[in-house]
Amino acid sequence: GIQVEQSPPDLILQEGANSTLRCNFSDSVNNLQWFHQNPWGQLINLFYIPSGTKQNGRLSATTVATERYSLLYISSSQTTDSGVYFCAVEGQAGTALIFGKGTTLSVSS
Amino acid sequence: NAGVTQTPKFQVLKTGQSMTLQCAQDMNHNSMYWYRQDPGMGLRLIYYSASEGTTDKGEVPNGYNVSRLNKREFSLRLESAAPSQTSVYFCASHRDRVNYGYTFGSGTRLTVV
Repeated sequence: GIQVEQSPPDLILQEGANSTLRCNFSDSVNNLQWFHQNPWGQLINLFYIPSGTKQNGRLSATTVATERYSLLYISSSQTTDSGVYFCAVEGQAGTALIFGKGTTLSVSS
Repeated sequence: NAGVTQTPKFQVLKTGQSMTLQCAQDMNHNSMYWYRQDPGMGLRLIYYSASEGTTDKGEVPNGYNVSRLNKREFSLRLESAAPSQTSVYFCASHRDRVNYGYTFGSGTRLTVV
């Protein structure tokens, strides 16, 4: 089945810094989503982005489907950005989202 | 519009007990899913249902059964709980083949002692 790898596994930032999270996947996809899991365990859908670029406030994402990777950019990070960021994909022959292991982000003030 | 609702939010079971986790969605989605999340790992698929009346195994189905009661509801049953099933369980739904993402419930934290 399709493989999803996220990097880095852990990231520690000072408030106000920028960061880039990467997601590599092993096959063509119909669906790619980025999620933020907050410290209370809630999964928040950030982007549905199987291709192209989207922006939402301080967050933006780019997926280059032909090269099988996606990037999540966080600018001017805040302590509330802390948590785990997951990339999840559904392959073209797939039946469900497959998750990477996540990037744990810690933002300190 | 509640989205995906899971009950209960927390549960403690003794080894060998049984229980059913409930999930309901009000978005008229065809597909529904059960995932589990263990520490340091992403979510892993237990079972899914592509439409009412159909269910299929995912990556980690052993020890679980599911029922797609109707289009809205998809339940997950543990017949004889084991400590290895201590996890956080998430239900999700999807509209299928349309440019929409999956919607997740808020999770059920299950501890088996």
